[in-house]
Amino acid sequence: GEDVEQSLFLSVREGDSSVINCTYTDSSSTYLYWYKQEPGAGLQLLTYIFSNMDMKQDQRLTVLLNKKDKHLSLRIADTQTGDSAIYFCAESDGPDSGNTPLVFGKGTRLSVIA
Amino acid sequence: DTGVSQNPRHKITKRGQNVTFRCDPISEHNRLYWYRQTLGQGPEFLTYFQNEAQLEKSRLLSDRFSAERPKGSFSTLEIQRTEQGDSAMYLCASSEPGPPGEQYFGPGTRLTVT
Repeated sequence: GEDVEQSLFLSVREGDSSVINCTYTDSSSTYLYWYKQEPGAGLQLLTYIFSNMDMKQDQRLTVLLNKKDKHLSLRIADTQTGDSAIYFCAESDGPDSGNTPLVFGKGTRLSVIA
Repeated sequence: DTGVSQNPRHKITKRGQNVTFRCDPISEHNRLYWYRQTLGQGPEFLTYFQNEAQLEKSRLLSDRFSAERPKGSFSTLEIQRTEQGDSAMYLCASSEPGPPGEQYFGPGTRLTVT
């Protein structure tokens, strides 16, 4: 079945770059997403990537996709204390990817030390 | 339109009672999803609608759970004969038909069953 795995914790110093990693198993997944969840809040969509892309950049966020290894990463440049949150990787699985329910990882808790 | 809204935000109920949650999606979105999130986990898919049609139900959705979207706008999720294991955050998301089918989440309804 589908599975999305992430490391659970990451701690970085303010101003450094953060790299959050994710692996997925569904080989037919073509859309992959990153969400941010702050305490007590819903999920905020940060970005997504389509599998014909290796990289996508949006301001301080860079997404890298290695489709061969089924590995996705989110890099946050110049990490700020406001970036402290849980980050979820999610895939839209199956041949109708982009139109299906999301499968989420357990989330990576990012702590930013001032 | 300010996004997906959910009511109530919090619900405390005694075991065995019935509860109903409401989700109002972004107005132009015809897809609506329900997820459940427990502590330390990512959201897990429950069911979703395209307009008023319920397209898929997860095996997590026992027969005590029912969801409706009668006019293709707001949706309700009812849990009958609640159990302590139903305690969780219930999240609603909406999207336009994809791909990429970006799903936008509401703030969630936190259910506590005592």
